[in-house]
Amino acid sequence: NAGVTQTPKFRVLKTGQSMTLLCAQDMNHEYMYWYRQDPGMGLRLIHYSVGEGTTAKGEVPDGYNVSRLKKQNFLLGLESAAPSQTSVYFCASSYPNEQFFGPGTRLTVL
Amino acid sequence: SQQGEEDPQALSIQEGENATMNCSYKTSINNLQWYRQNSGRGLVHLILIRSNEREKHSGRLRVTLDTSKKSSSLLITASRAADTASYFCATPSGTSYGKLTFGQGTILTVHP
Repeated sequence: NAGVTQTPKFRVLKTGQSMTLLCAQDMNHEYMYWYRQDPGMGLRLIHYSVGEGTTAKGEVPDGYNVSRLKKQNFLLGLESAAPSQTSVYFCASSYPNEQFFGPGTRLTVL
Repeated sequence: SQQGEEDPQALSIQEGENATMNCSYKTSINNLQWYRQNSGRGLVHLILIRSNEREKHSGRLRVTLDTSKKSSSLLITASRAADTASYFCATPSGTSYGKLTFGQGTILTVHP
């Protein structure tokens, strides 16, 4: 079992560019989450999904969109990247309590 | 909004010593979890304690929960250099669906 995987691991964008982060899990978990982690801010929930075809906003959803077309995949999109979106992004899955995290994507927006 | 807050923010000890980290939260919960994050890696679940439990052990880890004080502590006994990491407490948030609110973490450094 690979657990939770994320691609890419690193990315540098210019302001205004778009990109999609991919999260995949092989544990058949219903719930999936996207977080961002910034120094001194801990982890903040961006969006989450409670099952295939469902998504919901978390604490800091602005500037991001998500899709869960397949149960095992959860995509995070940035339509027009801004420097404030420079962060480390983590995906996680769970059912019901313990969350399993991916290795993270380090994103820099110039 | 921050539900769990860890204390201290940073802790530096020698190998073999015990490390204690504390977490305080604001609203009633039915469980509390602790996670570890090694530098540059994702978080790893350590232990979950339910609201009807006062203490739980897992290897060298001991977690306590005091619901009357809305606080929890994580004790790592006989620490090792490999325990160097950030430690986060997490509590259920909102309507849950497994959602968690994480504290800002305690950075533990264990010197060999």
